Amino acid sequence: GENVEQHPSTLSVQEGDSAVIKCTYSDSASNYFPWYKQELGKRPQLIIDIRSNVGEKKDQRIAVTLNKTAKHFSLHITETQPEDSAVYFCAALNGGTYKYIFGTGTRLKVLA
Amino acid sequence: GAVVSQHPSRVICKSGTSVKIECRSLDFQATTMFWYRQFPKQSLMLMATSNEGSKATYEQGVEKDKFLINHASLTLSTLTVTSAHPEDSSFYICSARDPGQGLAGNTIYFGEGSWLTVV
Repeated sequence: GENVEQHPSTLSVQEGDSAVIKCTYSDSASNYFPWYKQELGKRPQLIIDIRSNVGEKKDQRIAVTLNKTAKHFSLHITETQPEDSAVYFCAALNGGTYKYIFGTGTRLKVLA
Repeated sequence: GAVVSQHPSRVICKSGTSVKIECRSLDFQATTMFWYRQFPKQSLMLMATSNEGSKATYEQGVEKDKFLINHASLTLSTLTVTSAHPEDSSFYICSARDPGQGLAGNTIYFGEGSWLTVV
């Protein structure tokens, strides 16, 4: 079945450094790739997304890149801050079924 | 933005009983809603796709007779965990897609989630 692999599972960075999280998807019908930030016991919050016809998108300190050929997409956070500490999930959407498949999650810790 | 409300946020039930969780789209009509289960420190696992006016589509390994889904209206889907057991204790979260957003309709909106504890 479809799956999304996400790496690393945990990531610790010093405040001010950059963090990169990578995902690989398997479903060729995926055409939309959102990233979510989730704090314990809360609903996931959409932080950035990218559509399959775009290679890169940036929003202030957050950027996402997509390589459709390799079926890879990545989240880049620059100038990290302690409040960026959370669990981040990537997801891939099948444009026909509208089913989201989530990655396994990355626990990001930004050390002050 | 679109809002999805989920209730209850926390529920404790006795083993063997059933519990119902509601998911409502507050300002749009959701023909499709999704139910996820999330165990501690794990990812969101899609359980089923809830389709208004028809049967839900369950993911492989999810027991349809145990997790009853009803999507009787365009704004409400319910998940009933029947004969609950301690291993069913988890964070259950729904999401809904606003089909009226055209290309932007790829965005889904999550409910607040429901913590189920079976004792």
